[in-house]
Amino acid sequence: GQQLNQSPQSMFIQEGEDVSMNCTSSSIFNTWLWYKQDPGEGPVLLIALYKAGELTSNGRLTAQFGITRKDSFLNISASIPSDVGIYFCAGPPGSGNTGKLIFGQGTTLQVKP
Amino acid sequence: DAGITQSPRHKVTETGTPVTLRCHQTENHRYMYWYRQDPGHGLRLIHYSYGVKDTDKGEVSDGYSVSRSKTEDFLLTLESATSSQTSVYFCAISDPGQGPYEQYFGPGTRLTVT
Repeated sequence: GQQLNQSPQSMFIQEGEDVSMNCTSSSIFNTWLWYKQDPGEGPVLLIALYKAGELTSNGRLTAQFGITRKDSFLNISASIPSDVGIYFCAGPPGSGNTGKLIFGQGTTLQVKP
Repeated sequence: DAGITQSPRHKVTETGTPVTLRCHQTENHRYMYWYRQDPGHGLRLIHYSYGVKDTDKGEVSDGYSVSRSKTEDFLLTLESATSSQTSVYFCAISDPGQGPYEQYFGPGTRLTVT
């Protein structure tokens, strides 16, 4: 079946650094979403992308819908300690409109003050 | 925050016992989902519902059943719990009129099967 592969699996960075992560698939996706999960909580939607090439920002976060429709990227500028968590990409598999998503395995971010 | 609650938040049970987890929403969203989260596997869909009494299987549905008798409640049942079902379970909701793929998650239920 369809899979989403996230890279890197984990990152350990210094506060103030910029972060880049990506999500790739062998299949085309028409929507990409990025979520963040804080320890012990449910994932929270950060950004949704609906058009190839689209670039969308949410504060210090910027996400891009890849031109090939097979990838998406998330950047975090000037990281702070509260950016710690797991970042997931997600997209709807196949056709239909039931709202189903598949998720990548996540990128774990740790920030050193 | 979306109005989604899950109960119980923590549960320890023995192998072979039935377990029911409840998801309750106050958003009147049409779609509801149950996921499990395990280290190295991300979030995997167990079952989902696209309306009252309308449900379908996800990628890891074996050993689980669901019911949705009203819009606000979606129940996940483990008929006979096994140790492989030890996991964190998340409920999510979305609505076709507000971005069908924009799912909002509950706080999770941590289930341990001994």
